Amino acid sequence: GAVVSQHPSRVICKSGTSVKIECRSLDFQATTMFWYRQFPKQSLMLMATSNEGSKATYEQGVEKDKFLINHASLTLSTLTVTSAHPEDSSFYICSATPTGYEGFFGPGTRLTVL
Amino acid sequence: SQKIEQNSEALNIQEGKTATLTCNYTNYSPAYLQWYRQDPGRGPVFLLLIRENEKEKRKERLKVTFDTTLKQSLFHITASQPADSATYLCALDIGSNDYKLSFGAGTTVTVRA
Repeated sequence: GAVVSQHPSRVICKSGTSVKIECRSLDFQATTMFWYRQFPKQSLMLMATSNEGSKATYEQGVEKDKFLINHASLTLSTLTVTSAHPEDSSFYICSATPTGYEGFFGPGTRLTVL
Repeated sequence: SQKIEQNSEALNIQEGKTATLTCNYTNYSPAYLQWYRQDPGRGPVFLLLIRENEKEKRKERLKVTFDTTLKQSLFHITASQPADSATYLCALDIGSNDYKLSFGAGTTVTVRA
């Protein structure tokens, strides 16, 4: 099956710093990737759709200046959490759909902002 | 407003029994519905997809039904094993052209040996 990787798996940072999370499709090309966040015991919430070569599409209520998304190649999308604060601490997960239907998810990145 | 509700937060069952999970939705008209498994601290793993014109789908010990009149999907794990212990998420396509999904909160299944 298709493989999606994320890096880093865990990151701890100080409040006010920026953190970059990478999402890679390892064995397929992905013109579209999705970024989710998940709080403990809650559902995955779609944050944005990352489009290769064009601007990301953000869901309602997600600050695009806070969560910068870059999809510079067919296998890599990055999410940068700018000026992170403790309330940004969460589990961030990316996904891609090589077939257009079932999602293949990365292993997730646990962000802790102190 | 749109909602996806999974019947219970947690389900504890004895090994060998069948686990039945429910996913109900309102104000959606999904062309398909999916079920995923998520282990703690990991990303979801795709299990099954069922389309609106399909009543039932099976994969090994898993069975999914989809009733668009009731706006409900049932997910069954037969002959359950401790290794089936995980959180199971249902997800609906939201009708966009880019295959966006909306997820339920999940049901955590614990299978006792």
